[in-house]
Amino acid sequence: DTEVTQTPKHLVMGMTNKKSLKCEQHMGHRAMYWYKQKAKKPPELMFVYSYEKLSINESVPSRFSPECPNSSLLNLHLHALQPEDSALYLCASSREQGDNYGYTFGSGTRLTVV
Amino acid sequence: QKEVEQNSGPLSVPEGAIASLNCTYSDRVSQSFFWYRQYSGKSPELIMSIYSNGDKEDGRFTAQLNKASQYVSLLIRDSQPSDSATYLCAVNDGSGNTGKLIFGQGTTLQVKP
Repeated sequence: DTEVTQTPKHLVMGMTNKKSLKCEQHMGHRAMYWYKQKAKKPPELMFVYSYEKLSINESVPSRFSPECPNSSLLNLHLHALQPEDSALYLCASSREQGDNYGYTFGSGTRLTVV
Repeated sequence: QKEVEQNSGPLSVPEGAIASLNCTYSDRVSQSFFWYRQYSGKSPELIMSIYSNGDKEDGRFTAQLNKASQYVSLLIRDSQPSDSATYLCAVNDGSGNTGKLIFGQGTTLQVKP
């Protein structure tokens, strides 16, 4: 299994809603990443988890709350989002943080905030 | 501010031609360089990685790296309409083992039948 699986593929939420994005990998990777990609822009790093601990938070607003319950699963909890948070949210994993062999992205969750 | 620069295009080539995509980066400490292909509405797909100066070939793709000039390129031979996509150059953040990739803005490639 060489895939990173993200659910849901599409999500529409109101500004008062609470929702969660899920990412799963079964490659035994110990680093997992959340990126955000707005339309016609490159992906930008949000969070890095290494061995299930938060390693990097790129000054992301607290309305985005990551969680890594185990080595295979990464969640992104969303609360009180703004319309400008509408974007493609990408998850990725690598064997170790910083192993620099590149990583495979999941198919992404396209989020629309209304 | 670490930067990765790409010409946004669009780069238009006829089918069967060679497409040449270029990228420059500002962080001299970076050691790993990647090309991702992204179709409209899809997630980026890793197509090439390169770590040493010189050329690396994989099928119709050749990546070229020149660390002295801080320049990396991607050549696509025998371009096909299915190669039409946005190509993202990515560079690892050289400051510590962050795992962070810094992406260029992407070059849109159009291959005309």
